[in-house]
Amino acid sequence: GAVVSQHPSWVICKSGTSVKIECRSLDFQATTMFWYRQFPKQSLMLMATSNEGSKATYEQGVEKDKFLINHASLTLSTLTVTSAHPEDSSFYICSARPWDSTGNTIYFGEGSWLTVV
Amino acid sequence: GIQVEQSPPDLILQEGANSTLRCNFSDSVNNLQWFHQNPWGQLINLFYIPSGTKQNGRLSATTVATERYSLLYISSSQTTDSGVYFCAANTGGFKTIFGAGTRLFVKA
Repeated sequence: GAVVSQHPSWVICKSGTSVKIECRSLDFQATTMFWYRQFPKQSLMLMATSNEGSKATYEQGVEKDKFLINHASLTLSTLTVTSAHPEDSSFYICSARPWDSTGNTIYFGEGSWLTVV
Repeated sequence: GIQVEQSPPDLILQEGANSTLRCNFSDSVNNLQWFHQNPWGQLINLFYIPSGTKQNGRLSATTVATERYSLLYISSSQTTDSGVYFCAANTGGFKTIFGAGTRLFVKA
C-alpha cells in the first residue's frame, strides 16, 4: 500500500529555536496533506490542510505564524514550529491523499515526537 | 462540523476475551476508518469501512451508515492488542476527524 514517511521521528530542541518536520509521500503524489497534533492521552486534532502550490488552510485556534506549513511539491509538505516553547511539545502526524485517487483513501505517516526543553 | 464519539473510553480485558468498540458520528461521511495506535504512537490503519462489514483475522468492523455508527469487534484478545483505538471520519474536503479513542488494556 501507499507509504507516507515523516522525518524526524524524534526531535529535541531548545526553547526559542525552530524545528522542521517533513512529511513525504513515497510512492504517490499528493496535492493535499494534513497535519495533526496529539497531546498525551488525547485524540488527534487537525491543525491545517496543506495544499500544494498554495497557502495552507489552518483550523480555528491554530497560529499560522507559529506553525508554518509549506507544500512545495507533490510529495513533500513541511511543518516548521517557530520559536518553539515547552508547550509545543507534542506528537505531530501528517496524512496524505493520492491526487489521482477517486476514492477516499488517506494515508498516515508514522508521526514525529517533538520535545522542547 | 462533524462530531465523532467513541465508547467506552477505557476498557480492560482478560486475555482471550472478546470486545466491541463503538463509534457514533453526527453526519454523513465519505469514509470511516479504524486505527490502532501503539505505545510508540504509530497509527496503524485497521479498516476503511464506509459501510458494510469487513474482517481481518481476529478483528472485524461493521458500519451502518444510515444509522451513523460503526463497531469494531476484537475476538480472542491478546496483550498485543493493547493500545488506543481511534475511529475517524472522512468528511467533505477529505479532512479526517478523529474520535477521542478507546484505551484498551489486555491483561495476561
